[in-house]
Amino acid sequence: DVKVTQSSRYLVKRTGEKVFLECVQDMDHENMFWYRQDPGLGLRLIYFSYDVKMKEKGDIPEGYSVSREKKERFSLILESASTNQTSMYLCASSLNRGGRQPQHFGDGTRLSIL
Amino acid sequence: SQQGEEDPQALSIQEGENATMNCSYKTSINNLQWYRQNSGRGLVHLILIRSNEREKHSGRLRVTLDTSKKSSSLLITASRAADTASYFCATLPYNTDKLIFGTGTRLQVFP
Repeated sequence: DVKVTQSSRYLVKRTGEKVFLECVQDMDHENMFWYRQDPGLGLRLIYFSYDVKMKEKGDIPEGYSVSREKKERFSLILESASTNQTSMYLCASSLNRGGRQPQHFGDGTRLSIL
Repeated sequence: SQQGEEDPQALSIQEGENATMNCSYKTSINNLQWYRQNSGRGLVHLILIRSNEREKHSGRLRVTLDTSKKSSSLLITASRAADTASYFCATLPYNTDKLIFGTGTRLQVFP
């Protein structure tokens, strides 16, 4: 079974801090994704990556950046955290490009910005 | 850019009953996927149905797709308390690589 591991289940940070959310997958998947989930808004795509050192903007990239130095690891960075970035963050991976394969999700990081 | 809209937003049933959730979308799609999310956890993939398929089964799950109406339904038969979760549809529009998720249906199954 594919395992997608997010480094923290819960995280509390302060406004203005630089925040790193880490995600690791163990199945050699090409694609990795970062979503945020908010009540009533569903999942919204922040960034995704098809390959090492590649990244593509999703629907809501503002205030975020990503890093993919190794195939198995995809990091989400909040450059200067703000209270409106309080949310559940979900990482996912899929086998290859094209959206024709299921996405496998981690358990999420519930991030609170105070 | 929200594509999938689930209906109803919330559903409460007794164990043993069937649960039906619907998803409508706006643009032509390559495939449609259903996911389940238990409270506080990540999403788990249930079924993927391609645009040229009309029906698919997996255990107690049955998914239908009507591309002329741009809608899909997920039927869970003989529901169990363990089926209590939120269910999301996600569509893959043509000419994109990005899944678009709906806002989900919260299903509560009472013992």
